[in-house]
Amino acid sequence: GAGVSQTPSNKVTEKGKYVELRCDPISGHTALYWYRQSLGQGPEFLIYFQGTGAADDSGLPNDRFFAVRPEGSVSTLKIQRTERGDSAVYLCASSLTSDGRAGETQYFGPGTRLLVL
Amino acid sequence: GQQLNQSPQSMFIQEGEDVSMNCTSSSIFNTWLWYKQDPGEGPVLLIALYKAGELTSNGRLTAQFGITRKDSFLNISASIPSDVGIYFCAGQTSTGANSKLTFGKGITLSVRP
Repeated sequence: GAGVSQTPSNKVTEKGKYVELRCDPISGHTALYWYRQSLGQGPEFLIYFQGTGAADDSGLPNDRFFAVRPEGSVSTLKIQRTERGDSAVYLCASSLTSDGRAGETQYFGPGTRLLVL
Repeated sequence: GQQLNQSPQSMFIQEGEDVSMNCTSSSIFNTWLWYKQDPGEGPVLLIALYKAGELTSNGRLTAQFGITRKDSFLNISASIPSDVGIYFCAGQTSTGANSKLTFGKGITLSVRP
């Protein structure tokens, strides 16, 4: 597709369960970002990949959160032992590069709405 | 985590009016961006500013990068109903490993026809 896609669009789970959220970046984009957006708030940074490696994971709230990008394209955000406070919209963004003005524009996907009951 | 300061939380204007939104930060940013988010969608970039003092326009939108690099404003002229949405400012420190965006809480704009 032309834009960033995220699946599922909605996810309802029970407290304590494990969830995986998927992001398909724009083809050819080397940089990929995960953000979390709580109700009434702006997106907050979680983790950034350049290629296959996590260049900055300083935004991950705790060790229940983990993300991978094994082939430098699709990324999966994994949340273990979910808690009610994890309920939020999880946004993925990609950019062509992260080291030059013209290629830095981050294009966002529609997000995955996670609800932990 | 740190967020930029945007207020008020909501703005209500009449169609055809101009509206201005400010964004401030206690930290310096080297890039300022303005995004718009519609319900159920991700944020969409409106304007990017790369230099202190820069004034940039995109159609009816005009934005400025503050001289101190700690603030920015967005102006929308002659508002129309499709301007309704949430407007976020975002700052970026640098490139590469520092290329994450820091967002404000957003301003919800309502336009009365």
